Amino acid sequence: SQQGEEDPQALSIQEGENATMNCSYKTSINNLQWYRQNSGRGLVHLILIRSNEREKHSGRLRVTLDTSKKSSSLLITASRAADTASYFCATDEVDDMRFGAGTRLTVKP
Amino acid sequence: DAGITQSPRHKVTETGTPVTLRCHQTENHRYMYWYRQDPGHGLRLIHYSYGVKDTDKGEVSDGYSVSRSKTEDFLLTLESATSSQTSVYFCAISPQQYNEQFFGPGTRLTVL
Repeated sequence: SQQGEEDPQALSIQEGENATMNCSYKTSINNLQWYRQNSGRGLVHLILIRSNEREKHSGRLRVTLDTSKKSSSLLITASRAADTASYFCATDEVDDMRFGAGTRLTVKP
Repeated sequence: DAGITQSPRHKVTETGTPVTLRCHQTENHRYMYWYRQDPGHGLRLIHYSYGVKDTDKGEVSDGYSVSRSKTEDFLLTLESATSSQTSVYFCAISPQQYNEQFFGPGTRLTVL
């Protein structure tokens, strides 16, 4: 079963707009990670946020974590056509990392 | 994808035949993982390794076996392929458990 579940499943925006994706999970975690996958490629790590952190930034990316709501959000600011990809959250469980089904982001030029 | 390769990249096989996929790394990372990716399911862990000859099952291990005889190589074997194993398989590596994982380019397997 999936631990993290992303919402929405698909998102389409215009270049320059901000994109927000959400991830919800069920059990306690130590950290949560976000990955990007371009079509036909492997996943690329974007950012890791630990359970004792509330917010983290990396370039145009902003990740928040609310452990009381068991949710995280990924904000991409000033989106570009090159940001078109699928985005996955991953959470740690007892034995392994669990990935959600992903959010498909399309940024139109 | 630097430092991690998968072979073959594409394979078509028939039901009932054995298939072995290879993951090779040059990063000397301790952890290696095999995932499958199917539409609507994201990535699901098949098996992982935490050292030479040290492996453990993941979420969807039935029908798969793995071996790791060297730090750099992690093999995934489908003893008798079934159509339900048609998928894209990704290998990943990591220096520590639950940390950033680095993914290979994937292997697209079709079982007819």
